[in-house]
Amino acid sequence: GENVEQHPSTLSVQEGDSAVIKCTYSDSASNYFPWYKQELGKRPQLIIDIRSNVGEKKDQRIAVTLNKTAKHFSLHITETQPEDSAVYFCAATGGNQFYFGTGTSLTVIP
Amino acid sequence: EAGVAQSPRYKIIEKRQSVAFWCNPISGHATLYWYQQILGQGPKLLIQFQNNGVVDDSQLPKDRFSAERLKGVDSTLKIQPAKLEDSAVYLCASSPDGNEQFFGPGTRLTVL
Repeated sequence: GENVEQHPSTLSVQEGDSAVIKCTYSDSASNYFPWYKQELGKRPQLIIDIRSNVGEKKDQRIAVTLNKTAKHFSLHITETQPEDSAVYFCAATGGNQFYFGTGTSLTVIP
Repeated sequence: EAGVAQSPRYKIIEKRQSVAFWCNPISGHATLYWYQQILGQGPKLLIQFQNNGVVDDSQLPKDRFSAERLKGVDSTLKIQPAKLEDSAVYLCASSPDGNEQFFGPGTRLTVL
């Protein structure tokens, strides 16, 4: 089965700085890679996703890059704001099974 | 559009008791997922339905967990009997296409 690793587990940045979270996956058949944001006590919310036929996708301050050869993908948040503080999960799926990473707790310091 | 509904939101039981959770997905979403999220960890897929058929239940502890989606809409997840390690948030999600998932608010289960 798929194995998704996520780093770092915790990340603190100053407001306005950039944050980068990285994930690796093991199954070369995986072709869909979403990122979810989960605030304390709330449900995961999809913030951006990328498919295996695309190398990079951007949505305002958030971008995701995918390197299929190396089997890793990254979330980039620019100009971070305090409301970006949350736990971020990556996931990978090649069809039926969805595998989530272990999460990154991001703290944006005002 | 209405989101994924789950009930109850919180449940406290003693070990060896039984418990059931209910999920109503977004209308028209054929795929439904149940996840277990232990504190500090990512969601772990327990079972995935496509309409009323099981697509994947490889990580479901079948000796104590069961789930059904009889009419291809609502779903229930049952634990019988519960163990201390079952304490977690149980998330239900639905998807229109098997990719983007929409999560419900979850049921927080505490087993004493």
